[in-house]
Amino acid sequence: GAGVSQSPSNKVTEKGKDVELRCDPISGHTALYWYRQRLGQGLEFLIYFQGNSAPDKSGLPSDRFSAERTGESVSTLTIQRTQQEDSAVYLCASSPFDRGQGYTFGSGTRLTVV
Amino acid sequence: AQSVTQLGSHVSVSEGALVLLRCNYSSSVPPYLFWYVQYPNQGLQLLLKYTTGATLVKGINGFEAEFKKSETSFHLTKPSAHMSDAAEYFCAVSDSSYKLIFGSGTRLLVRP
Repeated sequence: GAGVSQSPSNKVTEKGKDVELRCDPISGHTALYWYRQRLGQGLEFLIYFQGNSAPDKSGLPSDRFSAERTGESVSTLTIQRTQQEDSAVYLCASSPFDRGQGYTFGSGTRLTVV
Repeated sequence: AQSVTQLGSHVSVSEGALVLLRCNYSSSVPPYLFWYVQYPNQGLQLLLKYTTGATLVKGINGFEAEFKKSETSFHLTKPSAHMSDAAEYFCAVSDSSYKLIFGSGTRLLVRP
């Protein structure tokens, strides 16, 4: 597609429920990244995919967080047993293999845990 | 490990004044450096980037930044601020690991 697409744009969930956030990268971009942005704060790296493998998942905050990617296509970030501190905007980005061309971000999913 | 420091969480300038947003980085290898802008309730938009070559890079909306290896800096400037420049600005660095690491951001306020 023309840009990075994320869905849903907004998600309200009850504490303890599981949620799935979806990211569709730009076609042809081999790398895909997930970030978390809490209200009024910077971007916190979560995980990075090159193709469907994840060389760096060092930013995942706990084992409640997991992510997968199908080939060089869609990625899903799953948060199990959500907690209120998981409330944030989750941003996805993709880049070509030559990352010097830049990283393109989606508009994010705003997750609110009540 | 790579890291980014943005001095000043808030910067306030008058309309028409010079904008200077500071960014210092640490990286064990020649880095790729980026500035992104985030308007309220929107995603991140790439302003400019440095990969190789000319150390002074020009971006959108009249912004530019200079890569100074000796100072490990990549400060963002604009000669004359406009009201529409009010936003949050993030500096980011990427080394050979592909991971893009962000600074904590600087909120630019533009006074009429």
